[in-house]
Amino acid sequence: KNEVEQSPQNLTAQEGEFITINCSYSVGISALHWLQQHPGGGIVSLFMLSSGKKKHGRLIATINIQEKHSSLHITASHPRDSAVYICAVQNSGAGSYQLTFGKGTKLSVIP
Amino acid sequence: NAGVTQTPKFRILKIGQSMTLQCTQDMNHNYMYWYRQDPGMGLKLIYYSVGAGITDKGEVPNGYNVSRSTTEDFPLRLELAAPSQTSVYFCASSYSGEADSPLHFGNGTRLTVT
Repeated sequence: KNEVEQSPQNLTAQEGEFITINCSYSVGISALHWLQQHPGGGIVSLFMLSSGKKKHGRLIATINIQEKHSSLHITASHPRDSAVYICAVQNSGAGSYQLTFGKGTKLSVIP
Repeated sequence: NAGVTQTPKFRILKIGQSMTLQCTQDMNHNYMYWYRQDPGMGLKLIYYSVGAGITDKGEVPNGYNVSRSTTEDFPLRLELAAPSQTSVYFCASSYSGEADSPLHFGNGTRLTVT
C-alpha cells in the first residue's frame, strides 16, 4: 500500500510570497494528482502528472519519479489561494484507479 | 454541463436510520467513486464503479452499499447509520481509470449520525 506524506501540514504566507508544498510517496505510481479543496469544501483537480513539470497560471507542479517526490509551487500568492492542497497518487498496475490521498496542506495567505 | 451533482448537502441521521446519498454526472464518465473524508485524514475510497452494472469495494466499504444502473447515477446507501459514519462524503467521476483522466468531484455531503 502506498504511503503518501505531505509537508508542511499548515502554512501561513504573506501575500506575494512564493509557496512550495511537498508530497512524497513510497511505491512507484502511474500518476500523481494535485487537488485544491476550498474553504466551502468543494474539491477541484489542479494537475495530473506522471513526469516532468506542468504549469497553469501561477501554479507549477513538478514530479521526480526516481525520488518519489512531487512539489506544488504557487508564485505571487494571493489570499484567494487560501485552501487545503491535497496530493493523491495513482498506483501502477491492477486497481490503478484507486487513489491514495495525503492528509492535505492547509494554506493561509494573509493580505 | 453541471458536472457532478450530489444531494443532499447536509443531513442529520439518528442511529439505525437509513438514507441514500445521490450522485449524478452529465459528462458520460465511465468511472465513478464514493469517498469519505474524516477530519485530519486523507480521503478514503468506499466503493467505485467502472461502468453501468459494475461496482466494487474500495478501502472502507463496511456499512455501505451502492448500485450503478445507469452511466449517470451512482447512489450510496447507508442501511443502519452508526456514529462512525459521521463524515463528509464526496462523489467523483473520471472518463477512464488511466493516468490521463482527471477526477471531477461533487460538492460533498456533510452527514452527522447522532
